[in-house]
Amino acid sequence: DTGVSQDPRHKITKRGQNVTFRCDPISEHNRLYWYRQTLGQGPEFLTYFQNEAQLEKSRLLSDRFSAERPKGSFSTLEIQRTEQGDSAMYLCASSLVGSSGELFFGEGSRLTVL
Amino acid sequence: GENVEQHPSTLSVQEGDSAVIKCTYSDSASNYFPWYKQELGKGPQLIIDIRSNVGEKKDQRIAVTLNKTAKHFSLHITETQPEDSAVYFCAASKGTGGFKTIFGAGTRLFVKA
Repeated sequence: DTGVSQDPRHKITKRGQNVTFRCDPISEHNRLYWYRQTLGQGPEFLTYFQNEAQLEKSRLLSDRFSAERPKGSFSTLEIQRTEQGDSAMYLCASSLVGSSGELFFGEGSRLTVL
Repeated sequence: GENVEQHPSTLSVQEGDSAVIKCTYSDSASNYFPWYKQELGKGPQLIIDIRSNVGEKKDQRIAVTLNKTAKHFSLHITETQPEDSAVYFCAASKGTGGFKTIFGAGTRLFVKA
């Protein structure tokens, strides 16, 4: 399978703990995006990378959130000092510059903060 | 920034009927309007898209229309089938290769057999 993969698929943590999610995009895709989706809502843009450069961050991305894409391939999203309001599905997507604009999504990492 | 509004939030139709979902966008610079389908436990998947230089596009039972002047676009599904039941999202972006895509809140479609 050469689609976008995310790990872990589910994470349950206690408030105040740190969590990290990993995303492996489609190999030839140079853009990578992180979105957050809460129940009954559409995906909300968090941040995106072109190769290793983080080009834009949403105001939703507080200073407790950090994303990296160190070698322009996989990416990590870390949430420090988790709060109950961080409970959501974190979706990763990738695309190719110059393509149609279609985003290819992974199946997401569901975070539950107790 | 861009804002995308989507209606209705829930839509229930009888198998074989048509379903229409409507969206409006705020940023006149947006030039790419994709529609995604999300099934339970999965990420959204593109089903059809339209660019701002086109008014209508059709792919089998699915069609999209775009009115740039009014800044609204619609998804039409004809001859609905139970497997069409899912959540549908409209979205808008500008530039090429995806850029920052902004999504509507979604429409949960139920197709009753």
